Amino acid sequence: EIVLTQSPLSLPVTPGEPASISCRSSQSLLNRNGYNYLDWYLQKPGQSPQPLIYLGSNRASGVPDRFSGFGSGTNFTLKISSVEAEDVGVYSCMQALQTPYTFGQGTKLEI
Amino acid sequence: QVQLLESGPGLLKPSETLSLTCAVSGYSISSTPYWGWLRQPPGKALEWIGTFHHSGMSFYTPSLKSRVTISVDTSKNQLSLRLKSVTAADMAMYYCARQSTLVATFDIWGQGTNVIISS
Repeated sequence: EIVLTQSPLSLPVTPGEPASISCRSSQSLLNRNGYNYLDWYLQKPGQSPQPLIYLGSNRASGVPDRFSGFGSGTNFTLKISSVEAEDVGVYSCMQALQTPYTFGQGTKLEI
Repeated sequence: QVQLLESGPGLLKPSETLSLTCAVSGYSISSTPYWGWLRQPPGKALEWIGTFHHSGMSFYTPSLKSRVTISVDTSKNQLSLRLKSVTAADMAMYYCARQSTLVATFDIWGQGTNVIISS
């Protein structure tokens, strides 16, 4: 199965500052159709996960444009241009290229 | 507004069978072919359990494949999960989710239901 490794696992940030989370895959997530099957989810405290980014770089519906996804193949990054207090929670990457779908360990972002 | 609501026994004994249901409201479960179950043990990462496709074919994670069954009842507009012979390792928050047909993203999640395994 595909293993996803996130870093850092804990990310203290200051409101207004940028933040970046890395997700590395044990094998390429680039499909023959040219898309990278890598998603990002945010789980806010006490809530269920919500999608942020799909296919590596596409923002899900309703996601603010301060969130951006980059990368291809085995290296991916989620960037927050200017962190807000409501962004606290656990960020997880997930590969949807092949079953079993797998997740990274999660990165806890805290103010 | 699409809503998913999981329900089931919060407490089971080891070796029992876990049965969860996910009621879908505001949306016809037949409108999307893929529906999944995921879980998150305390302090651990999210884990995909399996996905049901309306063709009748389901896909399961290998570690649970021998014990798990996912099904859909279109008449009740709900998704179900059965997990046999539970152990302490199955203790987790269980989520149902709609899976996008085109990009495989889990785009709508239920609130989750907590399952405790204890003798």
